[in-house]
Amino acid sequence: AQRVTQPEKLLSVFKGAPVELKCNYSYSGSPELFWYVQYSRQRLQLLLRHISRESIKGFTADLNKGETSFHLKKPFAQEEDSAMYYCALHLTRRNAGGTSYGKLTFGQGTILTVHP
Amino acid sequence: DTGVSQNPRHKITKRGQNVTFRCDPISEHNRLYWYRQTLGQGPEFLTYFQNEAQLEKSRLLSDRFSAERPKGSFSTLEIQRTEQGDSAMYLCASSSGEGKVAFFGQGTRLTVV
Repeated sequence: AQRVTQPEKLLSVFKGAPVELKCNYSYSGSPELFWYVQYSRQRLQLLLRHISRESIKGFTADLNKGETSFHLKKPFAQEEDSAMYYCALHLTRRNAGGTSYGKLTFGQGTILTVHP
Repeated sequence: DTGVSQNPRHKITKRGQNVTFRCDPISEHNRLYWYRQTLGQGPEFLTYFQNEAQLEKSRLLSDRFSAERPKGSFSTLEIQRTEQGDSAMYLCASSSGEGKVAFFGQGTRLTVV
Protein backbone atom coordinates (compact mmCIF):
# COMPACT_ATOMS: atom_id res chain seq x y z
CA ALA A 1 0.00 0.00 0.00
CA GLN A 2 1.13 3.54 -0.62
CA ARG A 3 2.48 5.52 2.30
CA VAL A 4 4.07 8.92 2.90
CA THR A 5 6.34 9.53 5.87
CA GLN A 6 7.46 12.87 7.22
CA PRO A 7 9.79 11.97 10.08
CA GLU A 8 9.89 15.40 11.70
CA LYS A 9 6.75 16.77 13.31
CA LEU A 10 8.54 19.99 14.29
CA LEU A 11 11.42 21.83 12.68
CA SER A 12 12.89 25.09 13.93
CA VAL A 13 15.49 27.20 12.17
CA PHE A 14 16.67 30.77 12.30
CA LYS A 15 16.00 33.28 9.57
CA GLY A 16 18.58 32.97 6.80
CA ALA A 17 19.47 29.38 7.63
CA PRO A 18 18.96 26.54 5.15
CA VAL A 19 15.97 24.32 5.72
CA GLU A 20 15.14 20.81 4.58
CA LEU A 21 11.83 19.11 5.26
CA LYS A 22 12.08 15.38 4.75
CA CYS A 23 9.58 13.22 2.93
CA ASN A 24 9.82 9.54 2.10
CA TYR A 25 7.25 7.55 0.21
CA SER A 26 6.37 3.94 -0.34
CA TYR A 27 4.74 3.13 -3.66
CA SER A 28 5.39 0.42 -6.22
CA GLY A 29 4.31 2.44 -9.22
CA SER A 30 5.51 5.67 -10.80
CA PRO A 31 4.95 8.33 -8.17
CA GLU A 32 3.64 11.83 -8.55
CA LEU A 33 4.52 13.90 -5.52
CA PHE A 34 3.40 17.23 -4.15
CA TRP A 35 4.17 19.56 -1.31
CA TYR A 36 1.19 21.38 0.20
CA VAL A 37 1.49 24.20 2.73
CA GLN A 38 -0.92 25.58 5.29
CA TYR A 39 -0.17 29.00 6.73
CA SER A 40 -1.80 30.06 9.97
CA ARG A 41 -5.58 30.41 9.56
CA GLN A 42 -5.42 29.70 5.85
CA ARG A 43 -6.51 26.79 3.75
CA LEU A 44 -4.27 24.02 2.50
CA GLN A 45 -2.66 25.09 -0.75
CA LEU A 46 -0.27 23.63 -3.27
CA LEU A 47 3.35 24.69 -2.92
CA LEU A 48 4.93 22.66 -5.67
CA ARG A 49 4.75 19.37 -7.58
CA HIS A 50 7.65 17.32 -8.80
CA ILE A 51 6.63 17.18 -12.45
CA SER A 52 6.79 20.97 -12.67
CA ARG A 53 10.40 21.02 -11.54
CA GLU A 54 9.99 24.65 -10.53
CA SER A 55 10.98 26.76 -7.57
CA ILE A 56 8.17 28.36 -5.61
CA LYS A 57 8.92 30.97 -2.93
CA GLY A 58 12.52 29.79 -3.07
CA PHE A 59 11.60 26.17 -2.31
CA THR A 60 12.66 23.25 -4.46
CA ALA A 61 12.10 19.53 -4.19
CA ASP A 62 13.75 16.76 -6.16
CA LEU A 63 12.28 13.33 -6.58
CA ASN A 64 14.86 10.66 -5.75
CA LYS A 65 13.43 7.35 -6.83
CA GLY A 66 16.42 5.40 -5.54
CA GLU A 67 15.92 6.72 -2.03
CA THR A 68 12.14 7.07 -2.46
CA SER A 69 12.40 10.62 -1.18
CA PHE A 70 11.01 14.04 -2.08
CA HIS A 71 12.65 16.40 0.38
CA LEU A 72 11.72 20.09 0.36
CA LYS A 73 14.61 22.53 0.53
CA LYS A 74 15.20 26.24 0.78
CA PRO A 75 18.66 27.76 1.08
CA PHE A 76 17.67 30.79 3.16
CA ALA A 77 14.56 30.48 5.32
CA GLN A 78 12.33 33.51 5.94
CA GLU A 79 9.98 34.16 8.84
CA GLU A 80 7.00 34.04 6.49
CA ASP A 81 7.88 30.43 5.67
CA SER A 82 6.61 29.40 9.10
CA ALA A 83 3.73 27.03 8.40
CA MET A 84 2.61 23.40 8.33
CA TYR A 85 3.99 21.49 5.37
CA TYR A 86 2.51 18.29 3.97
CA CYS A 87 4.08 15.94 1.49
CA ALA A 88 1.52 14.09 -0.61
CA LEU A 89 1.54 11.23 -3.09
CA HIS A 90 -0.94 11.43 -5.94
CA LEU A 91 -2.31 8.16 -7.21
CA THR A 92 -4.15 7.78 -10.48
CA ARG A 93 -6.73 5.02 -10.45
CA ARG A 94 -9.14 3.73 -13.04
CA ASN A 95 -12.61 2.43 -12.27
CA ALA A 96 -14.39 -0.43 -13.99
CA GLY A 97 -15.84 1.97 -16.53
CA GLY A 98 -12.42 3.13 -17.56
CA THR A 99 -12.66 6.52 -15.93
CA SER A 100 -9.41 7.64 -14.39
CA TYR A 101 -9.27 9.68 -11.23
CA GLY A 102 -6.79 10.56 -8.59
CA LYS A 103 -6.47 10.89 -4.85
CA LEU A 104 -3.83 12.21 -2.50
CA THR A 105 -2.14 10.33 0.30
CA PHE A 106 -0.66 12.79 2.78
CA GLY A 107 2.14 12.54 5.28
CA GLN A 108 1.59 13.60 8.88
CA GLY A 109 2.99 17.06 8.26
CA THR A 110 5.92 19.07 9.57
CA ILE A 111 5.48 22.34 11.44
CA LEU A 112 8.24 24.69 10.34
CA THR A 113 9.07 27.62 12.60
CA VAL A 114 11.51 30.23 11.39
CA HIS A 115 12.83 32.39 14.20
CA PRO A 116 13.96 35.99 13.65
CA ASP B 1 -13.72 34.46 -2.83
CA THR B 2 -14.02 32.13 -5.82
CA GLY B 3 -12.32 29.20 -4.16
CA VAL B 4 -13.80 26.06 -2.65
CA SER B 5 -16.37 27.01 -0.02
CA GLN B 6 -17.41 24.87 2.94
CA ASN B 7 -20.22 25.41 5.41
CA PRO B 8 -20.46 25.53 8.30
CA ARG B 9 -16.93 26.34 9.39
CA HIS B 10 -17.53 24.92 12.84
CA LYS B 11 -20.07 22.49 14.19
CA ILE B 12 -20.52 21.31 17.76
CA THR B 13 -22.99 18.50 18.22
CA LYS B 14 -24.03 16.03 20.87
CA ARG B 15 -23.17 12.40 20.47
CA GLY B 16 -25.87 10.57 18.59
CA GLN B 17 -27.04 13.54 16.56
CA ASN B 18 -26.87 13.76 12.78
CA VAL B 19 -24.84 16.45 11.04
CA THR B 20 -24.55 17.58 7.43
CA PHE B 21 -21.78 19.57 5.84
CA ARG B 22 -21.82 21.32 2.50
CA CYS B 23 -19.08 21.90 -0.04
CA ASP B 24 -19.28 24.23 -3.03
CA PRO B 25 -16.40 23.50 -5.40
CA ILE B 26 -14.85 25.89 -7.88
CA SER B 27 -17.55 26.26 -10.51
CA GLU B 28 -15.83 24.67 -13.48
CA HIS B 29 -14.38 21.76 -11.50
CA ASN B 30 -16.05 18.42 -12.16
CA ARG B 31 -14.00 16.46 -9.59
CA LEU B 32 -14.73 16.72 -5.89
CA TYR B 33 -13.03 15.04 -2.93
CA TRP B 34 -13.72 14.76 0.77
CA TYR B 35 -10.89 14.28 3.26
CA ARG B 36 -10.81 14.02 7.03
CA GLN B 37 -8.05 15.37 9.23
CA THR B 38 -7.63 14.49 12.88
CA LEU B 39 -5.28 16.23 15.28
CA GLY B 40 -1.64 15.66 14.44
CA GLN B 41 -2.38 13.80 11.23
CA GLY B 42 -2.41 14.67 7.58
CA PRO B 43 -5.68 14.66 5.63
CA GLU B 44 -7.06 11.20 4.87
CA PHE B 45 -9.09 10.46 1.76
CA LEU B 46 -12.79 9.70 2.31
CA THR B 47 -14.52 9.79 -1.04
CA TYR B 48 -14.40 11.10 -4.60
CA PHE B 49 -17.00 12.35 -7.08
CA GLN B 50 -16.67 12.92 -10.77
CA ASN B 51 -19.65 15.04 -11.71
CA GLU B 52 -22.53 13.37 -9.81
CA ALA B 53 -20.98 9.88 -9.70
CA GLN B 54 -19.32 8.71 -6.51
CA LEU B 55 -16.38 6.70 -7.85
CA GLU B 56 -14.55 5.70 -4.70
CA LYS B 57 -15.25 5.41 -1.00
CA SER B 58 -12.55 4.84 1.59
CA ARG B 59 -12.90 2.17 4.25
CA LEU B 60 -12.84 5.10 6.67
CA LEU B 61 -16.34 5.92 5.46
CA SER B 62 -18.49 3.75 7.67
CA ASP B 63 -22.20 3.10 7.09
CA ARG B 64 -22.97 6.16 9.20
CA PHE B 65 -21.39 8.38 6.57
CA SER B 66 -23.02 9.29 3.30
CA ALA B 67 -21.97 11.76 0.65
CA GLU B 68 -23.90 13.08 -2.30
CA ARG B 69 -23.37 15.37 -5.22
CA PRO B 70 -26.83 15.34 -6.79
CA LYS B 71 -26.36 17.74 -9.67
CA GLY B 72 -22.64 17.51 -10.08
CA SER B 73 -22.14 20.85 -8.40
CA PHE B 74 -22.20 21.17 -4.61
CA SER B 75 -21.75 18.15 -2.37
CA THR B 76 -23.00 17.20 1.09
CA LEU B 77 -21.45 14.90 3.64
CA GLU B 78 -23.79 13.56 6.29
CA ILE B 79 -22.79 11.74 9.45
CA GLN B 80 -25.55 9.90 11.28
CA ARG B 81 -25.48 9.03 14.97
CA THR B 82 -22.25 10.93 15.55
CA GLU B 83 -19.61 9.50 17.85
CA GLN B 84 -16.79 11.27 19.66
CA GLY B 85 -14.33 9.65 17.27
CA ASP B 86 -15.93 11.59 14.43
CA SER B 87 -14.49 14.82 15.81
CA ALA B 88 -12.15 16.09 13.11
CA MET B 89 -11.66 18.65 10.40
CA TYR B 90 -13.56 17.67 7.24
CA LEU B 91 -11.94 19.04 4.10
CA CYS B 92 -13.36 19.33 0.64
CA ALA B 93 -11.26 19.76 -2.49
CA SER B 94 -11.99 20.09 -6.18
CA SER B 95 -10.05 19.84 -9.42
CA SER B 96 -10.76 20.34 -13.10
CA GLY B 97 -9.46 17.07 -14.47
CA GLU B 98 -7.04 14.20 -14.40
CA GLY B 99 -3.65 15.25 -13.12
CA LYS B 100 -4.89 18.71 -12.25
CA VAL B 101 -4.14 20.33 -8.93
CA ALA B 102 -6.70 19.93 -6.18
CA PHE B 103 -7.84 23.13 -4.47
CA PHE B 104 -8.97 22.81 -0.88
CA GLY B 105 -11.67 24.53 1.10
CA GLN B 106 -11.12 25.89 4.59
CA GLY B 107 -12.77 22.90 6.14
CA THR B 108 -15.55 22.21 8.62
CA ARG B 109 -14.38 21.48 12.14
CA LEU B 110 -16.68 19.01 13.86
CA THR B 111 -16.66 18.56 17.62
CA VAL B 112 -18.81 15.80 19.07
CA VAL B 113 -19.47 16.21 22.80
